[in-house]
Amino acid sequence: QPVLTQSSSASASLGSSVKLTCTLSSGHSNYLIAWHQQQPGKAPRFLMNLDDNRVNDKGSGVPDRFSGSSSGADRYLTISNLQSEDEADYYCETWDTDTWVFGGGTKLTVL
Amino acid sequence: EVLLVESGGGLVQPGGSLRLSCAASGFIFSNYEMNWVRQAPGKGLEWIAYIATSGSPMYHADSVRGRFTISRDNVKNSLHLHMNSLRADDTAIYYCARHSGYGGGYWGQGTLVTVSS
Repeated sequence: QPVLTQSSSASASLGSSVKLTCTLSSGHSNYLIAWHQQQPGKAPRFLMNLDDNRVNDKGSGVPDRFSGSSSGADRYLTISNLQSEDEADYYCETWDTDTWVFGGGTKLTVL
Repeated sequence: EVLLVESGGGLVQPGGSLRLSCAASGFIFSNYEMNWVRQAPGKGLEWIAYIATSGSPMYHADSVRGRFTISRDNVKNSLHLHMNSLRADDTAIYYCARHSGYGGGYWGQGTLVTVSS
């Protein structure tokens, strides 16, 4: 089954950009993944899904500041023009025939 | 507007049972695969169960297999999680989630399950 690896934390300044990474385990580099945002005390929110080529679906109301890209086994979430409300935990998710997995999450701090 | 509204959480004693429900609206429920995902206090997200559009197949995580069962009612647009033999480490917020594959995902607001004597 696939495994997803994320850095535990990241930080960037208000108004700047940050790129979060989610790495798929060996043999799963072509898998579709999804990015989710979880603000403090709230339920997760679907941001987008992307495969090894492009973003396929973006969540309802997700600002254009959020974009996704891929390189090999890496899936990226880039947030531009960081706002205070972007401070949150970000999780990636993927699935196989009978198993779904989440990465450990990246806690993003907006300085 | 897509809405997923969970209910049925609460305080239950170890060894007890609980049935969670999720009411879906704003989309054609029978067209979408669904999941239950939980989050223990201060921890990350953990997938626990999946169900296909027709109700079969269903898959469960190792941590709950044999104790929890996912089901759905495509007439009533509802998703359920039947939980038996509950343990303290099942304490978590339980989320109903539309599959994040093609078509995009959605999350409910969650329902808290506390297993304690």
